[in-house]
Amino acid sequence: DTAVSQTPKYLVTQMGNDKSIKCEQNLGHDTMYWYKQDSKKFLKIMFSYNNKELIINETVPNRFSPKSPDKAHLNLHINSLELGDSAVYFCASSQDGGSPSPLHFGNGTRLTVT
Amino acid sequence: KQEVTQIPAALSVPEGENLVLNCSFTDSAIYNLQWFRQDPGKGLTSLLLIQSSQREQTSGRLNASLDKSSGRSTLYIAASQPGDSATYLCAVRLKGGSARQLTFGSGTQLTVLP
Repeated sequence: DTAVSQTPKYLVTQMGNDKSIKCEQNLGHDTMYWYKQDSKKFLKIMFSYNNKELIINETVPNRFSPKSPDKAHLNLHINSLELGDSAVYFCASSQDGGSPSPLHFGNGTRLTVT
Repeated sequence: KQEVTQIPAALSVPEGENLVLNCSFTDSAIYNLQWFRQDPGKGLTSLLLIQSSQREQTSGRLNASLDKSSGRSTLYIAASQPGDSATYLCAVRLKGGSARQLTFGSGTQLTVLP
């Protein structure tokens, strides 16, 4: 009955490859997010998406693209992986309309690019 | 641009002590402030959410206060236990913004020694 689940937990891949991370939430929330946590533990938002709009942090390279097949899923695709992409990526969800709820996070995907 | 700072970066205390974690933010026009806990290899767990109109929130041994005018929040943990060991992050959402505009601090790593 995990609220926000993301897979895989660990991902090790070589430079230049294309990879995807999946995220699903069963909370009925209307908004989902992808965050990147760097080695200094700073969390920075990459994308937020609800059924109305996708908002992209302008600092995110266009090699990163979110894909949402439905409101319960927001997958992250990364093309041409680079060493600097190594980090922990967190999916999150919230109810942004009505009475906003706290963010609920997945357990993270540790990406290592070699 | 909102900046969130947490001091100290790391804290080690013996079991049973009461402790205070600090969070400061530069833009006082906030909508709410949220405290999270992050365990190693895990996602973030929401602890307390304080709306801008509130001064404090309590949950069990945790008490979070908010002083918008001075741009500060504190998280008070009473009678600390080894299970409280984790990284604690605060995040601020600006007024007029949405959860996608949360700005996180870099966290305080707490170790409670048995």
